[in-house]
Amino acid sequence: NAGVTQTPKFRILKIGQSMTLQCAQDMNHNYMYWYRQDPGMGLKLIYYSVGAGITDKGEVPNGYNVSRSTTEDFPLRLELAAPSQTSVYFCASSLQRTTPWGGEQFFGPGTRLTVL
Amino acid sequence: LAKTTQPISMDSYEGQEVNITCSHNNIATNDYITWYQQFPSQGPRFIIQGYKTKVTNEVASLFIPADRKSSTLSLPRVSLSDTAVYYCLVGGFKTIFGAGTRLFVKA
Repeated sequence: NAGVTQTPKFRILKIGQSMTLQCAQDMNHNYMYWYRQDPGMGLKLIYYSVGAGITDKGEVPNGYNVSRSTTEDFPLRLELAAPSQTSVYFCASSLQRTTPWGGEQFFGPGTRLTVL
Repeated sequence: LAKTTQPISMDSYEGQEVNITCSHNNIATNDYITWYQQFPSQGPRFIIQGYKTKVTNEVASLFIPADRKSSTLSLPRVSLSDTAVYYCLVGGFKTIFGAGTRLFVKA
């Protein structure tokens, strides 16, 4: 299994440009997540999905959009890039139990995004 | 969402046992406690997860008292390669990563 894959690894955007960060997992996990991590900080949840066709906002959703048309893929869209979106973006997936909550998250290698 | 509090940083020497304590006073009945390790420029990696009492795997132990308001990650005989940030998370799928504990292991 490849696990969680992310593309691209690095990207530089100009202010106002748009882009899609790709994320895919081959573990048949039902839950998928997008996080951002600013230098020296912890991860902040942007969006998550509990299954194909179902997504919801996390802590910091503004400026981002997601979709989940398949179990495997969970792309993150930046519509109008701003310098504040300069960060490292991690995608993760997990096989969640329901009660009690549990299940480890598997993380991708990250995408380092710079907005100038 | 339950918040967690853990030390910002810790120092240790190779071969020592390291214990990192996390407090989570507002833990809910159905919440698990999960610890992750993160190296620079990498995504976090799962270390251990538990619900109550003690859990042990090949790399760590997790001690959870009866009231579950805190937990302690124990790393036996650390090496230089254990230098990393360690995150304590509480909850289900929608959890909060705090700033974590930066562990420095010295020779």
